[in-house]
Amino acid sequence: ETGVTQSPTHLIKTRGQQVTLRCSSQSGHNTVSWYQQALGQGPQFIFQYYREEENGRGNFPPRFSGLQFPNYSSELNVNALELDDSALYLCASSSPHGGTYQETQYFGPGTRLLVL
Amino acid sequence: GENVEQHPSTLSVQEGDSAVIKCTYSDSASNYFPWYKQELGKRPQLIIDIRSNVGEKKDQRIAVTLNKTAKHFSLHITETQPEDSAVYFCAGLNSNSGYALNFGKGTSLLVTP
Repeated sequence: ETGVTQSPTHLIKTRGQQVTLRCSSQSGHNTVSWYQQALGQGPQFIFQYYREEENGRGNFPPRFSGLQFPNYSSELNVNALELDDSALYLCASSSPHGGTYQETQYFGPGTRLLVL
Repeated sequence: GENVEQHPSTLSVQEGDSAVIKCTYSDSASNYFPWYKQELGKRPQLIIDIRSNVGEKKDQRIAVTLNKTAKHFSLHITETQPEDSAVYFCAGLNSNSGYALNFGKGTSLLVTP
């Protein structure tokens, strides 16, 4: 198992609400990426954070936003929830930029979000 | 952006047989190709990866081959066991334009005893 942790494990929200998901990266990793995995699909890249700044973003609307903290943990915030936001949200951590194998990403267990 | 196609979507083999999963990618600048195994309700687990300066990599019963000219890479599992049953995802990444993994849609592998 990786050292990446996520909370909560499951969450149920209603349409229009807001949600915050949390991720703690593996020790020594300063980069966190977030992915959305719909049922039966591969993970889709949302965005990546490095040194507390967004370092790339996928094709997701602005109501998906994030933060990274000085201890490299990260949050994913989703506003104005829609039914299609129901998915498994995964975070992945990777080793410092410029370092060896910086591309290698290790996933947390995910947060399963259900929007009713 | 990068587009990764994965085939087959489902694969059933008998225990002891080999399994092969193939992926193609569109971005010729992609230079990193990991494979993840995801069991039901679990996290994607990195099982093997390959970088574009290598044509083949092996780790016990698992091997990955990369053909940069044809822009495809494959996962080979030999002597399959029931515990190999899971969904396998390939991915591609161009480290020169960021660190977003672009995943295929997955292959559901079933190994029957």
